[in-house]
Amino acid sequence: QVQLVESGGGVVQPGRSRRLSCAASGFTFSSFGMHWVRQAPGKGLEWVAFISNDEINKYYGDSVKGRFTISRDNSRNTLYLQMNSLGPDDTAVYYCAKEAEVPFCDYWGQGTLVTVSS
Amino acid sequence: ETVMTQSPATLSVSPGERAIFSCRASQSVSINLAWYQQKPGQAPRLLIYSASTRATGVPARFSGSGSETEFTLTISSLQSEDFAVYYCQQYNNWPPLTFGGGTKVEFK
Repeated sequence: QVQLVESGGGVVQPGRSRRLSCAASGFTFSSFGMHWVRQAPGKGLEWVAFISNDEINKYYGDSVKGRFTISRDNSRNTLYLQMNSLGPDDTAVYYCAKEAEVPFCDYWGQGTLVTVSS
Repeated sequence: ETVMTQSPATLSVSPGERAIFSCRASQSVSINLAWYQQKPGQAPRLLIYSASTRATGVPARFSGSGSETEFTLTISSLQSEDFAVYYCQQYNNWPPLTFGGGTKVEFK
C-alpha cells in the first residue's frame, strides 16, 4: 500500500533554514509527481510546491517562491523541501502528497510540524 | 489565481440526516475538482475527483456533482465517522492548486 512518511520538522528560529523529507513506498515513485501542502494551526490547506516525476517541472506557491526549493531523489524514493528564510507565517504541518495522474492528491502523509519561533 | 469559496463554514447535522456542501470557483474549472475529508489530527483523505468520481474505498453515501463554477458534495445519511472538515480543491487552472476554506460538519 502507498505510504508517505514525512520527517524533519521541529522548532526553527526565524530567518533560519530547514529541510523536510518524505519517504515514499508502495508505488513506483519515479512515475508520479509530488506535492507539498501545508496547514497552519487551526487553518485550512495551502498548496506549497510541486515537482514532476522527472524533476523537469517545479512550481511554487507565491508565499514561498524564492525561499523554498522542492527536489526529489528517485533512487531513494524520497521527496524534499528545502525551506530558507523561515518566518512565523511558515509555522504549519507540512504534508507530502502523491499526485494522481492528474494534479489532485490521492495519497497523503501524516505530516510534520514546523514551528518558527525564537 | 482561481479562488475557491466553500459554504457554509460550519454545518450542524444529526446522524442519519443529509449533509450538503457547496463549493464555488471564481472562474471555470470544468470538472477538475476534488473533495477531501480531514478528521482532527489526521491527514486529508481524497473522497471525490473529477467532480463526481468516488475515490477507491469511499462509501456510496458520498456523492459529488457540478461543473464550471458550482459544485456540491452530498452525504446522503451522515454517519458518526463523517464528522470532519471537508475541503474542495481545483486542479484546472494551476499552478497554483487552490483549496476552499473548508466546511466543518459538527454534531447537531
